[in-house]
Amino acid sequence: AQSVTQLGSHVSVSEGALVLLRCNYSSSVPPYLFWYVQYPNQGLQLLLKYTSAATLVKGINGFEAEFKKSETSFHLTKPSAHMSDAAEYFCAVSGSGNTGKLIFGQGTTLQVKP
Amino acid sequence: DAGVTQSPTHLIKTRGQQVTLRCSPKSGHDTVSWYQQALGQGPQFIFQYYEEEERQRGNFPDRFSGHQFPNYSSELNVNALLLGDSALYLCASSLVSRTVSYEQYFGPGTRLTVT
Repeated sequence: AQSVTQLGSHVSVSEGALVLLRCNYSSSVPPYLFWYVQYPNQGLQLLLKYTSAATLVKGINGFEAEFKKSETSFHLTKPSAHMSDAAEYFCAVSGSGNTGKLIFGQGTTLQVKP
Repeated sequence: DAGVTQSPTHLIKTRGQQVTLRCSPKSGHDTVSWYQQALGQGPQFIFQYYEEEERQRGNFPDRFSGHQFPNYSSELNVNALLLGDSALYLCASSLVSRTVSYEQYFGPGTRLTVT
């Protein structure tokens, strides 16, 4: 069975500092991995996705993530945090059988301090 | 291009009642998935509909049922509501005949409160 673990339920950074949100996955088949962002009282917006092409994936709003098979990780980074990045971030892996079922982590709340 | 839309935005029901939530997929999409997101948790997969049939189901009881219409829109029905059913219900659409990246686009959700 596939699963996702997000390390750290809350991350706080200063504006302009590096953002690092951690995600580790478990999968018995080559995974498809995703990062979504959720702003208060809104649905989920796709930031980026890994689909077995390049291991370094660039997404929207300056975010990127690196797939490391040896570490079963897919950490999300951004060189310089903006106040507008404050939100809830979810890592997800696609379910087995390539049916599109997404399995989400518990989420990480990113706080950006001025 | 209209994205995924859901109705209603908010809903308050009493224990034991039944509720129906609605979803219209993004233009051009043919697959609809439903997720339940409890407060402070990640979304949990309920089921997915493709070609008007339930294609896959998560670990949810039979009280949760759904339907997909010929225009690809979908309904989620929950019977005999429990307090624990209070959550944000998210609909996501995708195009199954596209690449295998399974990029899903989410709607804004319906906030269900059971009292």
